Amino acid sequence: DIQMTQSPSSLSASVGDRVTITCRASQNIINYLNWYQQKPGKAPKFLIYAASSLRSGVPLRFSGSGSGTDFTLTISSLQPEDFATYYCQQSYGIPLTFGGGTKVEIK
Amino acid sequence: QVQLQESGPGLVKPSQTLSLTCTVSGGSINGDNYYWSWIRQHPGKGLEWIGYIYYSGITNYNPSLKGRITMAVDMSKNQFSLKLSSVTAADTAVYYCVRWEYGEGRPLDYWGQGTLVTVSS
Repeated sequence: DIQMTQSPSSLSASVGDRVTITCRASQNIINYLNWYQQKPGKAPKFLIYAASSLRSGVPLRFSGSGSGTDFTLTISSLQPEDFATYYCQQSYGIPLTFGGGTKVEIK
Repeated sequence: QVQLQESGPGLVKPSQTLSLTCTVSGGSINGDNYYWSWIRQHPGKGLEWIGYIYYSGITNYNPSLKGRITMAVDMSKNQFSLKLSSVTAADTAVYYCVRWEYGEGRPLDYWGQGTLVTVSS
């Protein structure tokens, strides 16, 4: 199985801050890397596909980068509605696997 | 807009079989680029992929669930289903049905709202 390691597991930030979350794959996954946002009691919401392509309707303050084994999700200016848990996920190999999540909390 | 909705019992006894159905609306289940998946999330934990079924009936399951999974598709009802046998308390989780889009990046692009299944006597 391809292991996905996210860091940090949690962070505290203020509205307006720039936030970066990293995700590392245990092997080369090219760009088959996707990002999701989950709020308490809700299903995950798909944000970014193919490492850096923004899903239609997702705010431009979200961006993704990386290829191979190292990837990042950046929120350029954190908004109140962005406080949530973020997951990376690889679709290169079966089984599909997820990172452990990064909880973004209010400072 | 594609929507998915899970249905099934919220309480299952240990050793019995968990059965869930996902109804897809706003799109056909027999699209070429779509694999219909189940994902679960243990309380307060991360996400675990259970498996997928293609409209033709082709399946692929997570080996970690050790042969306890059966998935099926019913194109006449635009539904797909999950059966998980010999359940234990470790199978207590929120179960999501999800569309896996086999295009660029292959994202899990549409999710059901999730249904909590508790395994308890």
